[in-house]
Amino acid sequence: DAGVTQSPTHLIKTRGQQVTLRCSPKSGHDTVSWYQQALGQGPQFIFQYYEEEERQRGNFPDRFSGHQFPNYSSELNVNALLLGDSALYLCASSLLGLGNQPQHFGDGTRLSIL
Amino acid sequence: GQQVMQIPQYQHVQEGEDFTTYCNSSTTLSNIQWYKQRPGGHPVFLIQLVKSGEVKKQKRLTFQFGEAKKNSSLHITATQTTDVGTYFCAGRAGTGTASKLTFGTGTRLQVTL
Repeated sequence: DAGVTQSPTHLIKTRGQQVTLRCSPKSGHDTVSWYQQALGQGPQFIFQYYEEEERQRGNFPDRFSGHQFPNYSSELNVNALLLGDSALYLCASSLLGLGNQPQHFGDGTRLSIL
Repeated sequence: GQQVMQIPQYQHVQEGEDFTTYCNSSTTLSNIQWYKQRPGGHPVFLIQLVKSGEVKKQKRLTFQFGEAKKNSSLHITATQTTDVGTYFCAGRAGTGTASKLTFGTGTRLQVTL
C-alpha cells in the first residue's frame, strides 16, 4: 500500500523562475492538501483540493496555484519565485468523506531559491 | 486569522525525565490533532481529540484537550531517545469536513542519555 509520494525530492531554482511540484496521494484517498514548511517552523497551509477543485486556501498569494487530476494526484505551481519561497513543500492526503481525518504526509520537496 | 502557539519552543531532557508541550489557539477549535516530525522527516499523525476535556493515552504519551477547546497538551512520561523530534499540534476551527488545519509553532524535544 503506497503512501503519499512527492517529486522531485530536491529542486534548485533562481528568482523569477516558475516551478511545478507533484504529489500522488495515499491509495484510497481523495483529498490533497499542500503545506509550506520553512526551516524551524510548523507547516503552513497553502490550499486543499477535492474533486479537482480548490476547496480551502490559506494566506498565500496568487503566485501559488494548483491542480488536481481525475486520479486524485495533484500539482503545486509557484510563479515568479522569490528568495522567501525557499522551504520544504509538503503534500498531505486524506479521505474527505469521513470527516476530519488525519493528514498523511509525503516526504516533501525541498525547494531552494538562489 | 487563527493562530496556534506552542510552548516551549525547545526542550532538552535526559532520558527518563518527563516532558510536556502546551498548545494554545486564538480561536475555539472543533478538534485538535498532534503530529511528530523526526529530524529530516515529515509530520506523522499521533492522535486526534474532539471532545471538551478529552484525555487520551498512547503508552507513555498522554494527550489532553482543554474544557474550552482552545488549548491542549502532550505529556511524555519517562522519555526515551526515540522520542526525539518536533511535536506539532494542529487545530481545525470550523465544523465542515473541508475546514483547514492550522499547525502550531512546534516544540523540539532533544533527549540525551
